[in-house]
Amino acid sequence: NAGVTQTPKFQVLKTGQSMTLQCAQDMNHEYMSWYRQDPGMGLRLIHYSVGAGITDQGEVPNGYNVSRSTTEDFPLRLLSAAPSQTSVYFCASSPGTGNYGYTFGSGTRLTVV
Amino acid sequence: DQQVKQNSPSLSVQEGRISILNCDYTNSMFDYFLWYKKYPAEGPTFLISISSIKDKNEDGRFTVFLNKSAKHLSLHIVPSQPGDSAVYFCAATEDNYGQNFVFGPGTRLSVLP
Repeated sequence: NAGVTQTPKFQVLKTGQSMTLQCAQDMNHEYMSWYRQDPGMGLRLIHYSVGAGITDQGEVPNGYNVSRSTTEDFPLRLLSAAPSQTSVYFCASSPGTGNYGYTFGSGTRLTVV
Repeated sequence: DQQVKQNSPSLSVQEGRISILNCDYTNSMFDYFLWYKKYPAEGPTFLISISSIKDKNEDGRFTVFLNKSAKHLSLHIVPSQPGDSAVYFCAATEDNYGQNFVFGPGTRLSVLP
């Protein structure tokens, strides 16, 4: 059982480049989320989805797009990378209402130069 | 302004003794709280939760206490083991679907042999 799989694990981008961080889960979870972790700030919610075809913004959505065409996949797109987006990104999923324990992926460390 | 605060960035405890990690929040609408544990280069893993209708929840060596009037919760680990050394995040939500969690900045626990 793979759980939540994130790719790539590491990425270096130049300012202005775009890229997609991949997230896939094999637990048939309805809810998926993207967080970023920065020193001293905990994890901040970027975007989330309560099911296929439904997405919504979290606390820090600017500069990021998401889509949820299938239950399994929830990619995060950086439209035009900026140094402020240097961070560790975590994807998470949960079964839904009544069960709040997220399963997190192992993270993607992104550096924008 | 952070809605969830963990004012101790780090804590060192001797093996076998009690570890107490503290968390304070400002939003009185938060009604569900979780603790996550994170090892380096891994995603956070769910540890224990508590809803606002309770003031205590136990799971083995881990107990979470909630004081709603003080907007304070704490995680007790008894007895502490070297494998407990990790960063611990407190998280809170007022969202019925459990999606919009707000995380604290984390406390790094070191359990010394």
